[in-house]
Amino acid sequence: EAGVAQSPRYKIIEKRQSVAFWCNPISGHATLYWYQQILGQGPKLLIQFQNNGVVDDSQLPKDRFSAERLKGVDSTLKIQPAKLEDSAVYLCASSWGQLGTYEQYFGPGTRLTVT
Amino acid sequence: GQQVMQIPQYQHVQEGEDFTTYCNSSTTLSNIQWYKQRPGGHPVFLIQLVKSGEVKKQKRLTFQFGEAKKNSSLHITATQTTDVGTYFCAVNSGNTPLVFGKGTRLSVIA
Repeated sequence: EAGVAQSPRYKIIEKRQSVAFWCNPISGHATLYWYQQILGQGPKLLIQFQNNGVVDDSQLPKDRFSAERLKGVDSTLKIQPAKLEDSAVYLCASSWGQLGTYEQYFGPGTRLTVT
Repeated sequence: GQQVMQIPQYQHVQEGEDFTTYCNSSTTLSNIQWYKQRPGGHPVFLIQLVKSGEVKKQKRLTFQFGEAKKNSSLHITATQTTDVGTYFCAVNSGNTPLVFGKGTRLSVIA
């Protein structure tokens, strides 16, 4: 079974530039998550999708972050414009169901550096 | 929102010593999951606890869920260098999304 795929693995941009990350979940997983992990911290949920609908985006900074999962499969997360404090690893995860009782499978992450 | 505290933040042990990390919540939890993240890696699911007082074992790892379902522990017996990494608990109450703790970083000195 293929795991969660993410690209790019690394990205360096200057502040005020824009960036996009891509995620392809495990086949058949209805729920997709985007997390932000700042160095030394636990993953922080940015947005959760169930198929192509948003379940929770309460911690997504909507003035600069956006995400979509148009066909209910792969997803993109965009930051525009980026700030220095956005430097972090962006993790995508997927699970069979949306309840917190399902284990989550994480991708390798995208390490973003904003200079 | 849901908050969870993990202690200690760091733990350095000699190989062969035991290790324990604790996860505490101020509210009653529906379930708790434990993940391990190796240096430079991504979180990997270890186990889920659902029942009050539940104890589960995976080889040298023992996981416990408190009777009041507000805390949990992960105990590793006779640590090995392969145990190095950060251990996260992730909790939820009802249908809320999982909330991850800040993790406990384990270093094992050979």
